[in-house]
Amino acid sequence: DTAVSQTPKYLVTQMGNDKSIKCEQNLGHDTMYWYKQDSKKFLKIMFSYNNKELIINETVPNRFSPKSPDKAHLNLHINSLELGDSAVYFCASSPSLDTGAKNIQYFGAGTRLSVL
Amino acid sequence: AQKITQTQPGMFVQEKEAVTLDCTYDTSDPSYGLFWYKQPSSGEMIFLIYQGSYDQQNATEGRYSLNFQKARKSANLVISASQLGDSAMYFCAMREEYNFNKFYFGSGTKLNVKP
Repeated sequence: DTAVSQTPKYLVTQMGNDKSIKCEQNLGHDTMYWYKQDSKKFLKIMFSYNNKELIINETVPNRFSPKSPDKAHLNLHINSLELGDSAVYFCASSPSLDTGAKNIQYFGAGTRLSVL
Repeated sequence: AQKITQTQPGMFVQEKEAVTLDCTYDTSDPSYGLFWYKQPSSGEMIFLIYQGSYDQQNATEGRYSLNFQKARKSANLVISASQLGDSAMYFCAMREEYNFNKFYFGSGTKLNVKP
């Protein structure tokens, strides 16, 4: 039973299209995240939600819009896709923020997005 | 300044030998956590080991241990008795308690285990 699952695993699309990536966690965690991993494997946080509330919004174009219908789900919608959006997108979750520095993040398997 | 620095883009190790992957960090927060993740070629990110800044002992998890040198701000990962399945990218990460929503990741080290 996958703890953090994201779909789809692969996404190939044309420039200008709109696409969504879904993420669900069954760990009972309060906090969820979206990361982007570029071609050089560098991981950068994009968004973080705690109990459906946005708490981190890094300098991400507003074409990217996260949506958290409940604390177990965090979806990522991307409008007007550009070539530079090609990357692997990871969803992650972690327990309550009250655990402080030891707040281990558990990652999904990633979604490889290719914009043609 | 970089929060997490991994200076070894690639490493080779012979099967069954031990290997150390370097990680240095930069923080002024007295309370922080250090993490190592493994990313095999299949792409998923797997949590390996955690070290808290106030932990007195170095963390160990099976064949993984963390060589934590607080004064030097280093948190090196030691993998003992390397196996072929250890070939992967390894990422060091840090979380600061005052800003505990954010993880800072290093650029990773690609480890190749040779038979």
